[in-house]
Parts: sequence; structure tokens; C-alpha cells
Amino acid sequence: GDSVTQMEGPVTLSEEAFLTINCTYTATGYPSLFWYVQYPGEGLQLLLKATKADDKGSNKGFEATYRKETTSFHLEKGSVQVSDSAVYFCALTANTGNQFYFGTGTSLTVIP
Amino acid sequence: NAGVTQTPKFRVLKTGQSMTLLCAQDMNHEYMYWYRQDPGMGLRLIHYSVGEGTTAKGEVPDGYNVSRLKKQNFLLGLESAAPSQTSVYFCASSYSTGYNSPLHFGNGTRLTVT
Repeated sequence: GDSVTQMEGPVTLSEEAFLTINCTYTATGYPSLFWYVQYPGEGLQLLLKATKADDKGSNKGFEATYRKETTSFHLEKGSVQVSDSAVYFCALTANTGNQFYFGTGTSLTVIP
Repeated sequence: NAGVTQTPKFRVLKTGQSMTLLCAQDMNHEYMYWYRQDPGMGLRLIHYSVGEGTTAKGEVPDGYNVSRLKKQNFLLGLESAAPSQTSVYFCASSYSTGYNSPLHFGNGTRLTVT
């Protein structure tokens, strides 16, 4: 079945460091891929998405590229800020399905 | 811009008690979902609905029931709470399925069953 695997956390970085959170997926067909972010005490919010191979999603300085050949959708940011501290979830949905599949989440803490 | 609203925000139940969690969305979305979030397990789908009057089971439906009598509301019921149901519950909605319909989440309900 469809599934998402993302790197274990927690991740702690200093402000202005480079961030990579790895995400790989298993799916039949051509899924859409998402990154969601959850700030403390809140629900998940969509951060970015990509709907086909080689698409790059971007938002708030974060980027992720849909790599079909490696079935990956790694999240990157060149310079993290304290305000980026949150839990990040990779997710997919099959374009013909009703369900989203989430990774286990990666907690990021950015220290000044 | 209310979006998805969940009530209550917190609840403590004793084993065997029952309760209903309410989810309301004002975006005219067809699809609604109930997830639970547990440490190290990410989000797991409990039940979902593809429109008013419809419901379907997700990955972990046992011990829960749902109803979608009105398009804007999706209720999650626990008939006889168990400590294993201690979790954070999130409701979400989407306009459709697939790539152009990301999920919109509520802020969650933290449930503790003692």
C-alpha cells in the first residue's frame, strides 16, 4: 500500500543553519506530495506541495522537489530561523484516492 | 476566517464513559476526516466522509463511530472510552481529493482517558 517514510527526529539546529528533512514514499501510480507543518498547540498547515515528477514546491524559504526516480521529496531550507521550530510532516495522496498518508513527523528546534 | 473548528479543546474521561467530538467547517468542503496523533506514529486516519450522509472507515476505526448529518459537521463518538484512546484528535477537511485539494486542519482535541 501507499506509505511515507521520513527521517527520525528530533533535529536541533542553530539559527541560519541549512536544513534537510528526508522523505521517501511508496505509492502506485503518480501521487501528489505535500509537506505540512505543525506549530506548538496548533493543527497542521500546508507548507508546500508538488503534483508531478520534477515539480518543485516552495513556500516561506522552504523547498522540496518531487523526484520520481528516487521516490523522494526532501524538505530543504537554506537558513533556518527560530520561528521555524515545529514538527514537519511529509504526506502523499493518490490522485484517484480519498486518503492521505502521513509520515511520523520530524521535530525541528532552532536555537539562537 | 474560521476554517475548521473543533470542540472541545481538552477533555478528560474515565474508562467506560462516552463523549462526542464536534468538527465544523465553513469552507463548503465535501470531504472530512478524523485523525489521531500519537507520539512516534504520526497521523492515523480513523474515519472519513466523502459527502453529507456518508462515512467510511480509515486505518484505525475500532472503538469509534462517526456521523455526517450536515455537510459542515463531522462528529466523532467514543461509546466506551479506553486508555488506549488517549490521544490528540484532529479533524480535517478538503474540497475534493487528489493534488489540488490539500487538507485543512482544526487545532485538535487533547483527550485523556484514565
